[in-house]
Amino acid sequence: SYELTQPLSVSVALGQTARITCGGNNIGRKNVHWYQQKPGQAPVLVIYRDSNRPSGIPERFSGSNSGNTATLTISRAQAGDESDYYCQVWDSSTAVFGGGTKLTVL
Amino acid sequence: QLQLQESGPGLVKPSETLSLICTVSGGSISSSSYYWGWIRQPPGKGLEWIGSIYYSGSTFYNPSLKSRVTISVDTSKNQFSLKLSSVTAADTAVYYCARDNYYDNCGSDYWGQGTLVTVSS
Repeated sequence: SYELTQPLSVSVALGQTARITCGGNNIGRKNVHWYQQKPGQAPVLVIYRDSNRPSGIPERFSGSNSGNTATLTISRAQAGDESDYYCQVWDSSTAVFGGGTKLTVL
Repeated sequence: QLQLQESGPGLVKPSETLSLICTVSGGSISSSSYYWGWIRQPPGKGLEWIGSIYYSGSTFYNPSLKSRVTISVDTSKNQFSLKLSSVTAADTAVYYCARDNYYDNCGSDYWGQGTLVTVSS
């Protein structure tokens, strides 16, 4: 079965750039979606199909995907960005989530 | 504005069947681009996809849960449902329903608020 690997935690200074990675075998050949989840809330889609932002998501959120790694980049990090982030792909008619990364804004 | 709402018992006994319904409002479950899915999250843990269904009844299931899961759709009520049999404490989780823009590969763009289901005697 396909697996996605994310770091458990990432820290970023207020106003700096955070990068959260999602590793998978040839993930660059797949479409990667990213979700933000705050405590006690449902996940929110922040990036779809590698690098596209849904309506209402700030331009500070961007994504890339190549080779074996997809990356969610959050520029000018704000305190409100502190959340759990999950990557997700479809593989052989199965949806797969990464284990999630806790982003801490210092 | 599309809304999804999960409903069902918050407490299920071990070995019994967990049953949840997701009611879709503000849009049709019969839209052609979308699958409708169930995702769960055990307390303090990550997201786990359970399965998804198209309005025609076509389903995808998580291989690790497939033997215990049934997802069905009722287009007349704009609802889809989840049944998970032979539950154990490991099935205790917040259960979410979501719309997956599968055919356009645009991710799960609408989610329900989630409902906590506890498996305990």
